[in-house]
Formats: sequence, C-alpha cells, structure tokens
Amino acid sequence: KAGVTQTPRYLIKTRGQQVTLSCSPISGHRSVSWYQQTPGQGLQFLFEYFSETQRNKGNFPGRFSGRQFSNSRSEMNVSTLELGDSALYLCASSQGFTGELFFGEGSRLTVL
Amino acid sequence: AQSVSQHNHHVILSEAASLELGCNYSYGGTVNLFWYVQYPGQHLQLLLKYFSGDPLVKGIKGFEAEFIKSKFSFNLRKPSVQWSDTAEYFCAVNARNAGNMLTFGGGTRLMVKP
Repeated sequence: KAGVTQTPRYLIKTRGQQVTLSCSPISGHRSVSWYQQTPGQGLQFLFEYFSETQRNKGNFPGRFSGRQFSNSRSEMNVSTLELGDSALYLCASSQGFTGELFFGEGSRLTVL
Repeated sequence: AQSVSQHNHHVILSEAASLELGCNYSYGGTVNLFWYVQYPGQHLQLLLKYFSGDPLVKGIKGFEAEFIKSKFSFNLRKPSVQWSDTAEYFCAVNARNAGNMLTFGGGTRLMVKP
C-alpha cells in the first residue's frame, strides 16, 4: 500500500509569491490534514478536510487555504508569501477522526 | 485551547539505559493521547495511542506510555533503549470529537550512544 505522497518535496519562492502544495492520501483514506513544522513553533495544525469539506481550521491567517478533491487528494495554497512561511509542510491522511495519522515526508518551502 | 509540554528537549543515553520522556497537557475535557516518532530521514509515524481503558498502553518496538489523568501526563517509557531508537519523539493530544486536529508538544530529540 503506497503511503502519503507530497509534491513537490522542495521549493524555493520569493516574498510576495504564492505556492501550491499537493498531497495524495493513502488509498481509502478520506481525511486529509495539513500541519506546518518550524524550528520555532514546532508542529502546528493548519486544516483538515473530509469529503471535500473543511472540518477544522487552525489559527493561521487567511493567506493559508486548502481544498480537497473528490478523489481525496488535497492541495494547500499560501498566497503573498512571507519569510516566516518558510517551513516543512506535512500532509497526513486518516481513515477516521481519532487522531491516528499517517504522515507524508513533507514539502519543504523556503521563502527568500 | 489545548497545550502540550515536553520537558526534555534533548536526551542522550547509552544503549541499554532506561528511557522516560515526560509529556503534560492542559485541557479540561476528554482527550486522545499519542506519541509520534520521527527517525532520521523518515516521516513522522505513530508510536502508540491512548483512547480509553487501561492507562498503560504498549506500542511498537517495546515502548509503553502511562496515562495519569490526575497529573494530565502521558509519559513515554522504554526499559532498555537501542541505538536504533535515536529519533525525535512528539507527544500529541486531540480533544474527543475534534477530528484529526492534534496539538503537538515541542518534541524531544533522543540520541542513543552505541
């Protein structure tokens, strides 16, 4: 069974640009969550999607958005990038809503 | 709002030493509790979980954790560590009915010397 796949793995952007990150969950998993990991703030919840609907949202500005498609694949978008958005963005999928998550390897974003 | 504290940021042990990593959380309601682990170069993965029942839970690779409700703690233990246990360990909680919205602790980097 293939794991959670995130693309791209690495990317470099400049301030003011926008970025879209993609996540393919494990087959059969319909819940997709996104987390931001930074050295200073650690792992922070961004949002969770299930059946194309956002179920939960973390405490991030509106520049951070996401969506889920009918095949459960998900994307997140960050607009008007700031230096502080440099981070590892982790996607996780799950069969249910218990917190048992299967994480991808992440997309490492560097904002210059 | 929930918060999770991991008191040890870095731990260095020799092989065969015993391990205990502390985790405390603050939340007034019922929670699910987790330990996730990230081995060098690998993705974050679930080590063990507690939902209800026996407060002593066992996970993979000989790890166990004990939920002490009165102390809001969920400490991770292993009687004898191995070099392959070198990793970063994260404690996490989510409120019941909060879906997959986890609150993570800051992590503990464990280095086991051979």
